Amino acid sequence: QKEVEQNSGPLSVPEGAIASLNCTYSDRGSQSFFWYRQYSGKSPELIMSIYSNGDKEDGRFTAQLNKASQYVSLLIRDSQPSDSATYLCAVNIRGSSNTGKLIFGQGTTLQVKP
Amino acid sequence: KAGVTQTPRYLIKTRGQQVTLSCSPISGHRSVSWYQQTPGQGLQFLFEYFSETQRNKGNFPGRFSGRQFSNSRSEMNVSTLELGDSALYLCASSGTVLAADTQYFGPGTRLTVL
Repeated sequence: QKEVEQNSGPLSVPEGAIASLNCTYSDRGSQSFFWYRQYSGKSPELIMSIYSNGDKEDGRFTAQLNKASQYVSLLIRDSQPSDSATYLCAVNIRGSSNTGKLIFGQGTTLQVKP
Repeated sequence: KAGVTQTPRYLIKTRGQQVTLSCSPISGHRSVSWYQQTPGQGLQFLFEYFSETQRNKGNFPGRFSGRQFSNSRSEMNVSTLELGDSALYLCASSGTVLAADTQYFGPGTRLTVL
């Protein structure tokens, strides 16, 4: 079982719709969770971090964390074609809490169609 | 603040050679992490340096090594290059004590091994 799993996609949504990206992780002791966006040929860009169960909103982005289910998701409201990218879920697993060791999922490719 | 910088941006080497990549973190950041990104394996953690000490290490062979200088700049070295070392090498820095796992990536170094 991979430590961090994402559906590779592609996930295709129409412009203006809500895109829902999901991530599961295996280490129940994980404390920190991150979403990065990576455009083709570019490096990952931090979108959001989340540490506590529940929702965290930042503009059109909402991260949701459920530690009991070992599940973290990212919702993108009013999706735009410029949101088309690969979205990477990253987890700071137990034993490396609050350090610079992140375990990444394979990423989900999002396509927003005009 | 200036972002994370990496040099060189592109490298072409042949099998058996060695290579050194450089990373300058965001000013004030003391943690530097290195990742390898390939289409097949995704983003994989190599190692992290904090205050000139290796704090975490990933599952890579000893041909991959790194170091950090007193000004927090970091270098990674790959000896005896193999074709499979062709990848995008990403450096990320993090700074605050309370969010040492919140990482910001540089543009990467694209290494091609022929």
